[in-house]
Amino acid sequence: SYELTQPPSVSVSPGQTASITCSGDKLGNKYASWYQQKPGQSPVLVIYKDSMRPSGIPERFSGSNSGNTATLTISGTHGMDEADYYCQAWDSTTGVFGTGTKVTVL
Amino acid sequence: EVQLVESGGGLVQPGRSLRLSCAASGFTFDDYAMHWVRQAPGKGLEWVSGISWNTDSIGYADSVKGRFTISRDNAKNSLYLQMNSLRAEDTALYYCAKHQDSETYYYDSSGSDYWGQGTLVTVSS
Repeated sequence: SYELTQPPSVSVSPGQTASITCSGDKLGNKYASWYQQKPGQSPVLVIYKDSMRPSGIPERFSGSNSGNTATLTISGTHGMDEADYYCQAWDSTTGVFGTGTKVTVL
Repeated sequence: EVQLVESGGGLVQPGRSLRLSCAASGFTFDDYAMHWVRQAPGKGLEWVSGISWNTDSIGYADSVKGRFTISRDNAKNSLYLQMNSLRAEDTALYYCAKHQDSETYYYDSSGSDYWGQGTLVTVSS
């Protein structure tokens, strides 16, 4: 079965840039989405189709996808960005989520 | 305002059945694909099942295939998940999620833009 691997944790200082990777076989040939989940809350879509931002998502969230790796970048990180982040892609008609990354804003 | 409200969770013994419901409001329900996604306590997200806007396409994760059945009643603006032969590893918070783009297959890549608060299913003897 298809797997998406993320680093368990990423730390970033306020105002700096956080990059979260998502690795999967030929992931660049698929579209990647990214979800943010804060403790006790439901997930929120922050990026879809690799680099598109839903309405209401700040411009500091951006995405890219090439080769075997999709990347979510948070520029000028705020304390409110501290959360778990999950990538997601479709392996044909089966949905796959990444292992998740906890972003800590120190 | 889009609202998705799940119900039907609870404590159930292994091997038994449970039916989850998701009541949708604030959008034209029958125009959108819908999903069930679950999250075991302290764990990550797992896609469970999806159904296209017109029910032409339905899919399941391997972990639930043959045991779970997704369905929708557009007249009632409701999504369902019939769960049979439940196992301890099915214990999770089950979320209902709406697809972002309308009139698409459930495996379209536009993502899920609205999620419910989830209903907790605990499988234990």
